[in-house]
Amino acid sequence: NAGVMQNPRHLVRRRGQEARLRCSPMKGHSHVYWYRQLPEEGLKFMVYLQKENIIDESGMPKERFSAEFPKEGPSILRIQQVVRGDSAAYFCASSELAVFAAKNIQYFGAGTRLSVL
Amino acid sequence: EDQVTQSPEALRLQEGESSSLNCSYTVSGLRGLFWYRQDPGKGPEFLFTLYSAGEEKEKERLKATLTKKESFLHITAPKPEDSATYLCAVLFLNRDDKIIFGKGTRLHILP
Repeated sequence: NAGVMQNPRHLVRRRGQEARLRCSPMKGHSHVYWYRQLPEEGLKFMVYLQKENIIDESGMPKERFSAEFPKEGPSILRIQQVVRGDSAAYFCASSELAVFAAKNIQYFGAGTRLSVL
Repeated sequence: EDQVTQSPEALRLQEGESSSLNCSYTVSGLRGLFWYRQDPGKGPEFLFTLYSAGEEKEKERLKATLTKKESFLHITAPKPEDSATYLCAVLFLNRDDKIIFGKGTRLHILP
């Protein structure tokens, strides 16, 4: 049973370009979460999605960032017109149950490390 | 604001030297507490989840415990391969759509 798959593992973009990060959840998981991690900082929640729906995007910047989880295919985190401050590791997690359900566990992918030049 | 604080930030131990990592949280009601291990360049790996005060979970050299205000991750006779960053995360009762992570404890076990 494959785990959470993220690609690419490393992504280099110049300021002003677009970054697309992809996440395929574990088989049977319909809940996806995106987090951002900066050096020496904890994981910061960005967005929580269920198939075709954004449940909570309160942690995501209002501009330039968007996320989707279509009926078919991976979840996508999109960053438009990247700036140097967007450089970070972005992690995706998935779960079988909703985050507030009893016994729910989030499983993480290996992350995408975005570097903005 | 609900917060999760981990201490110490970093810990260096000799192989075989047991110790404990702490995770404390603001008391606004706990739905669940999670421990993860993260190796450099990798994603967090799930270790334990605890739901109520007094609960304990064990896995090899690790044991997690929970009180009403904090959790401990006890490491018994650690080995160099236990070196990693250990992350604590809390699902609060009044914020039931996201979990909040602490900054982690960087553990280094010297051979």
